Amino acid sequence: SQKIEQNSEALNIQEGKTATLTCNYTNYSPAYLQWYRQDPGRGPVFLLLIRENEKEKRKERLKVTFDTTLKQSLFHITASQPADSATYLCALGGAKGGGGADGLTFGKGTHLIIQP
Amino acid sequence: DTEVTQTPKHLVMGMTNKKSLKCEQHMGHRAMYWYKQKAKKPPELMFVYSYEKLSINESVPSRFSPECPNSSLLNLHLHALQPEDSALYLCASSQGTRTGGNTIYFGEGSWLTVV
Repeated sequence: SQKIEQNSEALNIQEGKTATLTCNYTNYSPAYLQWYRQDPGRGPVFLLLIRENEKEKRKERLKVTFDTTLKQSLFHITASQPADSATYLCALGGAKGGGGADGLTFGKGTHLIIQP
Repeated sequence: DTEVTQTPKHLVMGMTNKKSLKCEQHMGHRAMYWYKQKAKKPPELMFVYSYEKLSINESVPSRFSPECPNSSLLNLHLHALQPEDSALYLCASSQGTRTGGNTIYFGEGSWLTVV
């Protein structure tokens, strides 16, 4: 069965360092992978999308890599700040084909804590 | 702020009640979604509407009944729910086109408590 694993339930990082979150998947061939941020009691907020033919995407302090051979994505936040503390969700999509609107399958998320 | 608006933000209902959750988006998106999220769990897909037609039902019990009156609106009708159905219900939308990936934008959710 399809499985998405995010490296840890919680990750503590000191302010200013780079936080690296991992997303591994099995029995899945996604057309794209997305990362979302979710704060307590709120809906997920889209951060970055990377397609299967792309190796790396950047947006401000965020960087995502996608290795379809390893079936892994890495999500980096550089110069981390306490405001970056949240749960980060990895999500895969595009495997079911059809018209493109096939929803996403989410990993369990990593709770990131940036300590001052 | 999200461009997907959900009402109500909080809903408490009895097991014999009938209620509805509502969702609206004005981004011109042609795909809309309902997800369910329990505490400390990831969102789980329930339904997908594509061009106002139900395209995916993830084996959701019939006590949940989705409706898409037009491309901007999505409802979730609730009837005879169980306490274990208490959760955060998230509405989302996307362009719904095949090319370029399918970024999904979420609303803030409706907190449902079944008593």
